[in-house]
Amino acid sequence: DAGVTQSPTHLIKTRGQQVTLRCSPKSGHDTVSWYQQALGQGPQFIFQYYEEEERQRGNFPDRFSGHQFPNYSSELNVNALLLGDSALYLCASSGSGVAPTDTQYFGPGTRLTVL
Amino acid sequence: KQEVTQIPAALSVPEGENLVLNCSFTDSAIYNLQWFRQDPGKGLTSLLLIQSSQREQTSGRLNASLDKSSGRSTLYIAASQPGDSATYLCAVPNYGGSQGNLIFGKGTKLSVKP
Repeated sequence: DAGVTQSPTHLIKTRGQQVTLRCSPKSGHDTVSWYQQALGQGPQFIFQYYEEEERQRGNFPDRFSGHQFPNYSSELNVNALLLGDSALYLCASSGSGVAPTDTQYFGPGTRLTVL
Repeated sequence: KQEVTQIPAALSVPEGENLVLNCSFTDSAIYNLQWFRQDPGKGLTSLLLIQSSQREQTSGRLNASLDKSSGRSTLYIAASQPGDSATYLCAVPNYGGSQGNLIFGKGTKLSVKP
C-alpha cells in the first residue's frame, strides 16, 4: 500500500517564476492538506481540499492556489515566487469526512529553493 | 488564537537515558494532540495521537500524556537510542477546524549520543 507521494523531490526556481507541486494521497484517502515548513520552523497550514474544493485556508496570499482532481490527487501552485517561499512543502492526506480524530499521513515533501 | 510551544528547542543526551519532551498550547479546547517525528529534510511520521478524553497513549518505548486543563503534553522516551535522533513536533487541530488543519510547535531537536 503506497503512502502519500509527492513530486518532485527538489526544485530550484528564480524569483517571479511559477511552480507546481504534486501530491497523491494514501490509498483510500480523499482529503489532502498542504503545509509549508521553513527551515527551523514547524509546518504551517496552507489549505485543504476535499471533494475537489478548497475547504479551509490558512493565512497565505492568493499567490498560493491549489486543485484537487477526481482521483483525489492534488496540486499546489505558487505564482510570482519570492525568496521567502523557499521551504519544504508537505502534503498530508486523511480519510473520508475527516473527523477530528483522524491521523494525518504526511508525504516526504518537496524542497523548493527560490534564487 | 491557538499557539503551540515546545521546550527545549534542542536536547542532547547519552544513549540509554530516559527523557521528556514538552509541549504546551494556549487554548485547552482541543480535539486531540498528536506527536510527530521528522528526520532531517524528510516528511513527518505520526508517533502518537491522544484524544481529548484520554490522559495518555503508549507505543513501545514512547509514552505521551495530555493535561488539557493546564495546556500541556509530554512525550516520554525510555532507554533512548541513537536511532531516536530526530526532531519531534507536537500539533493540535485548529479550533473548529478539521483534523487536516493542524497547528504545530517548532519542534525539539533530539540528539542521542552513542
